[in-house]
Amino acid sequence: AQSVTQPDIHITVSEGASLELRCNYSYGATPYLFWYVQSPGQGLQLLLKYFSGDTLVQGIKGFEAEFKRSQSSFNLRKPSVHWSDAAEYFCAVGASDYKLSFGAGTTVTVRA
Amino acid sequence: DVKVTQSSRYLVKRTGEKVFLECVQDMDHENMFWYRQDPGLGLRLIYFSYDVKMKEKGDIPEGYSVSREKKERFSLILESASTNQTSMYLCASSRAIGYTFGSGTRLTVV
Repeated sequence: AQSVTQPDIHITVSEGASLELRCNYSYGATPYLFWYVQSPGQGLQLLLKYFSGDTLVQGIKGFEAEFKRSQSSFNLRKPSVHWSDAAEYFCAVGASDYKLSFGAGTTVTVRA
Repeated sequence: DVKVTQSSRYLVKRTGEKVFLECVQDMDHENMFWYRQDPGLGLRLIYFSYDVKMKEKGDIPEGYSVSREKKERFSLILESASTNQTSMYLCASSRAIGYTFGSGTRLTVV
């Protein structure tokens, strides 16, 4: 069975600073990997996804993520955060049965 | 723009009531899912469906059932609501790998 660990429950970052959110997964085969963002009171929006190919994936809102098979990781990065990036971020792993397993989430606070 | 619509954003129900949460998608997706979201636990899969009249249990199906009579609609049913079912409920649909989510229903059981 697949599983996801997001080691950081809460991260505070200054506006304009860089951001990195960690994600480690457990899955026997090549995984399908996702990052979603959830603004307060909203559903989840897809930021980016990795299926195969180039291990550095570009997403929306200036985010990118890097798949590292040797470390079972899929960390999310943004070079310069904006106040609107304050949200909760979820990493997810999917299998061929279309089900996704989600991590517990990381809440990002942006300070001025 | 593709959409997954959950009929209620906020719902307050009494213990023991039968509760229906409705989800409709307009993308002709085969796959539909119900998750509940709780702080510190992330999203947990309750039930899913790959086709009309099909349903499969997820990781936490106890206390819930589902109905999928039409392709576009997937209903979550709380047979007898309890306070530990107070949560955010998220519906999602997909054709392949990767979901489109609804905005969620925040259910409070009192």
